[in-house]
Amino acid sequence: DTAVSQTPKYLVTQMGNDKSIKCEQNLGHDTMYWYKQDSKKFLKIMFSYNNKELIINETVPNRFSPKSPDKAHLNLHINSLELGDSAVYFCASSPWGYEQYFGPGTRLTVT
Amino acid sequence: GQQLNQSPQSMFIQEGEDVSMNCTSSSIFNTWLWYKQDPGEGPVLLIALYKAGELTSNGRLTAQFGITRKDSFLNISASIPSDVGIYFCAGLTQGGSEKLVFGKGTKLTVNP
Repeated sequence: DTAVSQTPKYLVTQMGNDKSIKCEQNLGHDTMYWYKQDSKKFLKIMFSYNNKELIINETVPNRFSPKSPDKAHLNLHINSLELGDSAVYFCASSPWGYEQYFGPGTRLTVT
Repeated sequence: GQQLNQSPQSMFIQEGEDVSMNCTSSSIFNTWLWYKQDPGEGPVLLIALYKAGELTSNGRLTAQFGITRKDSFLNISASIPSDVGIYFCAGLTQGGSEKLVFGKGTKLTVNP
């Protein structure tokens, strides 16, 4: 059983489009996160949700909107995609205040 | 913002050698984590450290949480080809907005 899963694995789209990435965890954790990994492999947090409540919004453009329908899901919707949004996006989950477990990533390419 | 300085950036070693990498910070962290990332995959947790001075092993991996809570190191003994990958240290900030701050990674290459 996959602990943290993301779909799609790859996403290629044109500038200006709107796209969503889905994340699900079956670990029973109450906290979920979105991270962005740039071309130099640097990982930076974007958002965190605890029990469906937004906890961290790390100065991310408001074109990015996370949605948590329940504790096991945290989706990321991106409006008006830009070239600079190209990156690998990772979802993660954890018990509050403990180690985080990452999904396999979604490689987003904006052309 | 908080930053972690991870070194070295890259290492090229022969199979069987031991490896050491470390992370330092100007800020205190209450938890240090070490992850490994293979190409095309997400980071996988290797070791979690929760107490200053703690030394923890996971197979051939050993990690320590520095006494000052501002540093950590990871050692890999008797490296094998599948140790290839990028190793990240991460400090967990706590106190209402728990988040991981990552180092920039150490890329390990093991020559058979």
